[in-house]
Amino acid sequence: QKEVEQNSGPLSVPEGAIASLNCTYSDRGSQSFFWYRQYSGKSPELIMSIYSNGDKEDGRFTAQLNKASQYVSLLIRDSQPSDSATYLCAVNPFNAGGTSYGKLTFGQGTILTVHP
Amino acid sequence: DAGVIQSPRHEVTEMGQEVTLRCKPISGHDYLFWYRQTMMRGLELLIYFNNNVPIDDSGMPEDRFSAKMPNASFSTLKIQPSEPRDSAVYFCASRTRGAYEQYFGPGTRLTVT
Repeated sequence: QKEVEQNSGPLSVPEGAIASLNCTYSDRGSQSFFWYRQYSGKSPELIMSIYSNGDKEDGRFTAQLNKASQYVSLLIRDSQPSDSATYLCAVNPFNAGGTSYGKLTFGQGTILTVHP
Repeated sequence: DAGVIQSPRHEVTEMGQEVTLRCKPISGHDYLFWYRQTMMRGLELLIYFNNNVPIDDSGMPEDRFSAKMPNASFSTLKIQPSEPRDSAVYFCASRTRGAYEQYFGPGTRLTVT
């Protein structure tokens, strides 16, 4: 079983719509969660971090975390063609003793296409 | 502030040759990570360092791969001998102690023919 799972997509949405990207993780001890955006031929760029259950908003981006369901999502409001990229979900797993492994586990990424 | 710096940006080499990739982390960052990204396998963690000490190298594919961090501002990833299946984009990332956000360099695109 993959530790971090994302729908590979591609997810296609019209300009101005809300894009919803989803991620599930297997390690119940995970404490912090991240979304990275990666344009084709570029490196991953951190766009959101979330540590607590609930929603965190930053401009057009909202990250949602539900630790009980082991689920984290990213909503992009008013999607623009410039949002077209691969979005990577990353999780910071902790061991049974509550100590971080110190590294991130990445999902395979969801390709988002926003068409005019 | 300068971000993570990697060199070279592109490397084309022949099978059997030695390849050395270089990384300079963000100043003040205690952790350095080496990743490999391919279409088939996605983003894979190869090895990471804390305060110049290798912590987890379980992702290093085989003995042909080695990594060093001689000081806080420099790390190398070496492949010897290189093989065509090593063709990928290699990223270096760094972070500070106590914060888990990692910041990536621009990557090195390696092609082994």
